This record gives sequence, structure tokens and C-alpha cells, in this order.
Amino acid sequence: DIQLTQSPSFMSASVGDRVVITCRASQDISRFLAWYQQRPGKAPKLLIYAASTLQSGVPSRFSGSGSGTEFTLTIRSLQPEDFATYYCQQVKSYLPITFGQGTRLESK
Amino acid sequence: QVQLVQSGAEVKRPGASVKVSCKASGYTFTSFHMHWVRQAPGQGLEWMAIINPDGDSITYARRFQGRLTLTRDTSTSTLYMELNSLRSDDTAIYYCARATLSYSPFDFWGQGTLVTVSS
Repeated sequence: DIQLTQSPSFMSASVGDRVVITCRASQDISRFLAWYQQRPGKAPKLLIYAASTLQSGVPSRFSGSGSGTEFTLTIRSLQPEDFATYYCQQVKSYLPITFGQGTRLESK
Repeated sequence: QVQLVQSGAEVKRPGASVKVSCKASGYTFTSFHMHWVRQAPGQGLEWMAIINPDGDSITYARRFQGRLTLTRDTSTSTLYMELNSLRSDDTAIYYCARATLSYSPFDFWGQGTLVTVSS
């Protein structure tokens, strides 16, 4: 199985901050990586796919980069609605598809 | 607009089975892959299974093989997930989700169905 490790697992930040979340894969997954945002009590929402492509309707303050085994999600100028949990997901192999353990972003 | 509407919360005894439905609308049901993902209370996301657009290929995560069954009714655009021999650690929110290809991300998700397993 392809393991995904996110760092940090928890972070606190303030509105207006720039936030970077990292996702490391246990093997090369090319650019088959997606990022999701999950607010409490809600289903995950796709933010970015193919490592750096912004899903339609997602604000441009979100961006993704990376390939191979190391990826980042950057939120430029954090907004109040961005405090949530973020997950990375690899879709290179669906045997099985795997997610990172999540990064909980809270207001400082 | 694309919608995935899941059935309501369930409470089951250990050893019982649960069947959760996911009704799709706003797109051609038989043109997309569908997945099931679950999330235990306060925990992360766990992928469970995928069914292809033709419905003739289903892959289950290893830990659910023999206990999980996916079916669908194309006449009502509804996907079903049945989990047998329930245990307390099956208590979770179960989500259906759509993907364009087997290696695509999940672009639409159902609202989730809470399954509680308790004696």
C-alpha cells in the first residue's frame, strides 16, 4: 500500500497568514495527488487534483505543487472559512486508494 | 446539478448487516466510477471500494473483502453498500463519492450516513 504522511498534523494560524501543508508518499506517485478540505460535520470537498490543478470554484488562494513523493498545499492569506481539516489522497493505485492522516488547521 | 443523496442514519447490533444507499442525480450515472469511503469518529478517511461505470468490475479494500458488497440499480441511479458482520469499530460515517476515472480524484461526495454499531 502507498502510505501518505502529512505534516504537521495540527497547526494554528491567523487570518491573513500563509499556510503550507506537506504530504509525503512512501513511493513515487507522479502527480496523482489530490487535496481535500473537510469542515466539521461535512463531507470532504475537492480542492486540488493532479497535484496542482485547482478544482472549479475553489478560490485562487489555494495552490498545490510537487511530484513524485513530496507535495505541498499552500493557502495564501488565510480566510475565516479556511479553518478546517485538510487531507491529501493518492489515486495512482486504487489497490488501495489512500489518504493522509489529515492536518487540522485551527484559529490562533 | 450533481447530487449524491444518501440514506439516513442506522443503529445496528454487533453481528448484524447494514445497507446504505446513494442516489445520484444531475449526471449520467453509468458514466462514472463510484467509491465508498468511511470515517470513524474523530478519525481520518478510509477508502473501502470502487465500482466501475459498467458495473462489472468491483474492487474492495483488502480489509473488507468477504464482508462488503457493492450493488447498484441503474433504473434509479442508486448505488448500495452492504457491510456484514458488523463490529463496534465499524461505527463511522460512510460516504459515497464520484470519480471520472479509476485514477481520478473524488469530485462529488454524498452527505454521509452515520452507522452506529452498539449492543
